[in-house]
Amino acid sequence: DAKTTQPPSMDCAEGRAANLPCNHSTISGNEYVYWYRQIHSQGPQYIIHGLKNNETNEMASLIITEDRKSSTLILPHATLRDTAVYYCIVRPSWNSGNTPLVFGKGTRLSVIA
Amino acid sequence: NAGVTQTPKFRVLKTGQSMTLLCAQDMNHEYMYWYRQDPGMGLRLIHYSVGEGTTAKGEVPDGYNVSRLKKQNFLLGLESAAPSQTSVYFCASSYHPPESSYNEQFFGPGTRLTVL
Repeated sequence: DAKTTQPPSMDCAEGRAANLPCNHSTISGNEYVYWYRQIHSQGPQYIIHGLKNNETNEMASLIITEDRKSSTLILPHATLRDTAVYYCIVRPSWNSGNTPLVFGKGTRLSVIA
Repeated sequence: NAGVTQTPKFRVLKTGQSMTLLCAQDMNHEYMYWYRQDPGMGLRLIHYSVGEGTTAKGEVPDGYNVSRLKKQNFLLGLESAAPSQTSVYFCASSYHPPESSYNEQFFGPGTRLTVL
């Protein structure tokens, strides 16, 4: 399984874009990059996922480098409610019994007023 | 829609006691999962279900049993609780199967269990 590396914490001013990096240099060609976040005392929440093209939805944008060895999650206008731990997950192939979502330690994003 | 709900939110047990955690979802999802989250360990899959009446073992199934008698409910049981089972338990459901490349999972708010 590909491992991911994320900075342990980041700060962002309210209203500014939050850019969260993730390194996944050993990613395989058929592995997707997923992003989830976990607001304090809540369950994880899906944000976005992609394979090699950039993706955008109502929550965020995902930029994947051409070599797929790294990606960046962009929250275009961060609010205080975006304060959470953000997990970058390289989704391994599903084998019965294993975990399709392997959550590491993530990046703790603090949005500051 | 309530999404995924879990009951109870908190529980303290003594070693050897038993309990059942209830997960309910109102999204008509076929697939449901039970995870535990320990500090520094991320989420680990305990058991999962691919449909009513079916269950399967995940990564860390020992000490737990599950049942999926109704599509909307997934129960996690601890027959004889141990301190090592102190954790936060999350239930999740998905529309797409776990082997799908698109496997967005919807999580409940969690149950914080302490075993003394």
